[in-house]
Amino acid sequence: DAKTTQPNSMESNEEEPVHLPCNHSTISGTDYIHWYRQLPSQGPEYVIHGLTSNVNNRMASLAIAEDRKSSTLILHRATLRDAAVYYCILIGGGADGLTFGKGTHLIIQP
Amino acid sequence: EADIYQTPRYLVIGTGKKITLECSQTMGHDKMYWYQQDPGMELHLIHYSYGVNSTEKGDLSSESTVSRIRTEHFPLTLESARPSHTSQYLCASGGQGVPYGYTFGSGTRLTVV
Repeated sequence: DAKTTQPNSMESNEEEPVHLPCNHSTISGTDYIHWYRQLPSQGPEYVIHGLTSNVNNRMASLAIAEDRKSSTLILHRATLRDAAVYYCILIGGGADGLTFGKGTHLIIQP
Repeated sequence: EADIYQTPRYLVIGTGKKITLECSQTMGHDKMYWYQQDPGMELHLIHYSYGVNSTEKGDLSSESTVSRIRTEHFPLTLESARPSHTSQYLCASGGQGVPYGYTFGSGTRLTVV
């Protein structure tokens, strides 16, 4: 599976936008970019996914670079409840399950 | 409300005991997974299943075993628990096709004393 690189941690203020970057320079043409997050003491939850075009849902937006070698998860207005570890994961057509890295620990300051 | 259920949520048990961690899902997913996660660390895949009577070992070697007799049920068993088995165990299921999201349970936090 192609690898992803994320910053270990990021800090933001409540009610401000947050941009979480992910590099995936070895992404293949069939790899989907998925984002999950894990709140304290809980299992991971799906946030958003995309292939080539930018995506929006009720939780977040996903901006994918034109060459697909990087992507950014955007939380438009962070709340304290968004404090979690965010994982950027590539899922290819032949792969199964999710391969988790260390993710980005997002800290939200009130 | 959760579509995937794990019980118990917390378990403290003595060394040498046999334990079974339960995982059930109501989404009709064929694919199910078990992950192990130590505090503050990454999740590691230890078992997965493509459907009834299918079980495979994951990337991380584990002394646990799994079974898949029914689509909705994917229990994990430790025949003889040891302190090294102390960890969080997370169950997940996935729908058809790559783009579909995976749903995780809340996990079982196991402590072997």
